[in-house]
Amino acid sequence: QAGLTQPPSLSKDLRQTATLTCTGNNNDVGSLGAAWLQQHQGHPPKVLMYRNNSRPSGISERFSASRSRNTASLTITGLQPEDEADYYCSAWDRSLNAWVFGGGTKLTVL
Amino acid sequence: QVQLQESGPGLVRPSETLSLTCTVSGSSISSDYYWGWMRQSPGKGLEWIGSIYHSGHTYANPSLKSRVTISLDTSKNQFSLRLTSVTATDAAIYYCARDASGAPADYWGQGTLVTVSS
Repeated sequence: QAGLTQPPSLSKDLRQTATLTCTGNNNDVGSLGAAWLQQHQGHPPKVLMYRNNSRPSGISERFSASRSRNTASLTITGLQPEDEADYYCSAWDRSLNAWVFGGGTKLTVL
Repeated sequence: QVQLQESGPGLVRPSETLSLTCTVSGSSISSDYYWGWMRQSPGKGLEWIGSIYHSGHTYANPSLKSRVTISLDTSKNQFSLRLTSVTATDAAIYYCARDASGAPADYWGQGTLVTVSS
């Protein structure tokens, strides 16, 4: 099955800004955008951003998202130790009629 | 607060059927949401399996569709997954979840580990 492409890892310093990317195609990211999920070790994923770039209730304003054609981006400002986690993007693939995921980016906060 | 809890055998033999149940509290599965299953394995990452609506309408990942059945039990506020003819590649943490229109899910269960071994 087709999947989305994410860099496997990213390291940033405390209080800096991290930008994570997610590349798909016209049938998924380019169609309706991508959602972003955060997963800490041993826990289920949690939605950070819906594909319309809105945040669920309770998610910090330090998280924001954008999209340019087939690439979605998640920006985290003022990195905190608790931001160290795996981040996944996901999009609805209209050719498959299925949700597809990226392989995840492991964010390390130094 | 919506809560979901998976239950079922943690060990399934190759070629047999994996069966899991998700018990929902804090929300009715007859409400205006799809309810679904996802899995996560080290080798394949996160994978969407499929979802069901209270009308019984289901849709499933094309790669799994021939082996997947998702059903509802509204009297118990539960929904279930059956995956037939399992192989080692089906070993994963299985999550039940409530679909969100803007994301694969907004509420997730804690996940249950399923091992495939004889």
